Amino acid sequence: SQKIEQNSEALNIQEGKTATLTCNYTNYSPAYLQWYRQDPGRGPVFLLLIRENEKEKRKERLKVTFDTTLKQSLFHITASQPADSATYLCALDRGAGSYQLTFGKGTKLSVIP
Amino acid sequence: SQTIHQWPATLVQPVGSPLSLECTVEGTSNPNLYWYRQAAGRGLQLLFYSVGIGQISSEVPQNLSASRPQDRQFILSSKKLLLSDSGFYLCAWSEQGAGEKLFFGSGTQLSVL
Repeated sequence: SQKIEQNSEALNIQEGKTATLTCNYTNYSPAYLQWYRQDPGRGPVFLLLIRENEKEKRKERLKVTFDTTLKQSLFHITASQPADSATYLCALDRGAGSYQLTFGKGTKLSVIP
Repeated sequence: SQTIHQWPATLVQPVGSPLSLECTVEGTSNPNLYWYRQAAGRGLQLLFYSVGIGQISSEVPQNLSASRPQDRQFILSSKKLLLSDSGFYLCAWSEQGAGEKLFFGSGTQLSVL
């Protein structure tokens, strides 16, 4: 069956360190993978999109990698700040031309001052 | 700029009562529209999506239905709510085409008692 797994439900990290979140998937052949941030009681907010033919994408302190052989994406936040504390969701499509986006359960990141 | 409006923010309904949640998008035309549900401790579950007026695709067969009476209006309905319908309901839109990022509304917290 198809699965999206985000490696941990919660991750605590010291301010200033790099946070690394993992997203693994099985039985999908996504054309792209997306990362979102969700604060409590709010809708998710889009952060980054990476396509199957891209290895890495960066945006300010954020970096995403996508390894279609390992079926894994890594999401990095460098120089983490308490304001980065939130739940981070990965999402992927069901193949080229698909409109549906399937989400993982998320990893709750807490950045400790 | 584009905005998405979703209401109400919270709703408490008795079992067996009807439901109508409305979502409208401004500042864009012919968007893809989506309804997701997020139950406690679970990931975002895609319920319905629409690529055009009157075109609805259902992901989960249950007592919920969706309609798109106008280009930028998406409605989620039920004739009789169940306890299991409780959750956080999120409307989202994207540009036409596959592989586009989603823009979420602020969500409706539905409690069925």
